[in-house]
Amino acid sequence: DTGVSQNPRHKITKRGQNVTFRCDPISEHNRLYWYRQTLGQGPEFLTYFQNEAQLEKSRLLSDRFSAERPKGSFSTLEIQRTEQGDSAMYLCASSPKLGAAEAFFGQGTRLTVV
Amino acid sequence: AQKVTQAQTEISVVEKEDVTLDCVYETRDTTYYLFWYKQPPSGELVFLIRRNSFDEQNEISGRYSWNFQKSTSSFNFTITASQVVDSAVYFCALSSGSGNTGKLIFGQGTTLQVKP
Repeated sequence: DTGVSQNPRHKITKRGQNVTFRCDPISEHNRLYWYRQTLGQGPEFLTYFQNEAQLEKSRLLSDRFSAERPKGSFSTLEIQRTEQGDSAMYLCASSPKLGAAEAFFGQGTRLTVV
Repeated sequence: AQKVTQAQTEISVVEKEDVTLDCVYETRDTTYYLFWYKQPPSGELVFLIRRNSFDEQNEISGRYSWNFQKSTSSFNFTITASQVVDSAVYFCALSSGSGNTGKLIFGQGTTLQVKP
């Protein structure tokens, strides 16, 4: 499978716990994005990597959120001290380094904080 | 500011009807890109089309067609002879800004239900 892969697909956690999600982009894609989608809304941009460099972060990304992309390959998104408001679908996308080329999305990780 | 508005929250049609999904965008940039994505119940966003701001030609792909009009800042999507498999949430998105990073600004989405 050469698509964007995200793990886990579902995560239920208790408030206050830390969670980490993983994204494996399409192998030749330099750009990687994280988005958050709540019910009934469009995805909202969280952060962007060009290879291993994190070049942009949204104001939505509070200090409880951290993302990494070591070696410019897979990426992780960690949420510390989760809150109920963090419950959402977290989507990862990748695209080749070509201007505004279309982004390819993974199936997302659905987080439920109880 | 950049913004995408999809005023239609939900649309319901009967199979074989034509349906148009509206999209209005706002940006001050002269170079920008517009996209449509489909999100079926499985959750994965599926790319449908990309247009750049300098190409106002309408495009047709099978039963899908897109009407891009800069004068009204609209990028509407029409499905001809709709099918049950077209049922999904459809998102319009905008990408613009200096050194375009490909970051997407999405509209709220339009849920399309096609009934048999």
